[in-house]
Amino acid sequence: GAVVSQHPSWVICKSGTSVKIECRSLDFQATTMFWYRQFPKQSLMLMATSNEGSKATYEQGVEKDKFLINHASLTLSTLTVTSAHPEDSSFYICSARGDRDNQPQHFGDGTRLSIL
Amino acid sequence: GESVGLHLPTLSVQEGDNSIINCAYSNSASDYFIWYKQESGKGPQFIIDIRSNMDKRQGQRVTVLLNKTVKHLSLQIAATQPGDSAVYFCAENTGSSYKLIFGSGTRLLVRP
Repeated sequence: GAVVSQHPSWVICKSGTSVKIECRSLDFQATTMFWYRQFPKQSLMLMATSNEGSKATYEQGVEKDKFLINHASLTLSTLTVTSAHPEDSSFYICSARGDRDNQPQHFGDGTRLSIL
Repeated sequence: GESVGLHLPTLSVQEGDNSIINCAYSNSASDYFIWYKQESGKGPQFIIDIRSNMDKRQGQRVTVLLNKTVKHLSLQIAATQPGDSAVYFCAENTGSSYKLIFGSGTRLLVRP
């Protein structure tokens, strides 16, 4: 089946630093990638939609200057949390889909981000 | 819309019994639905999907039922096993944006 790899799986860093998370589709070309945020015992909240070669589309309330998304190739998208603060601590999950209609999104295993 | 909740509803079943997890979706224009399973510390795993032109779809040990009249989706798991213990989310897609709206989730606990 479709495999999406996310790296790193866990990161701890000091407040004020920037953190980059990578999302790769390993066995298919991902026309579209999505970034989600998930708090404990809650559902997934879509942050942004990323199409290869174009600017990401952010959901309402998500700061695009805070969460920089790059989708430079059909197999890689990155999310950079800039000047991270403790309130940015969360579980960040990416997903990817191919270019056929009604294909399910396939998810990475998430990145646990802890800001001290 | 997006669901936010501090406490996940929990379904506790005996190993070997059948499980039914329910989901009410929000948009009558949604035309594609997916069930995902999420284990602790992992990303959601695709289980089964269904299009709006279908009422029922079966997979291995799982069946999804769609009732568009009342905007209701259910996931049936036959002969539930300990490995089925996880949080289950339904998700709906509307239109061509391919964005998914996730339900609030249900925790399934399988008693040995």
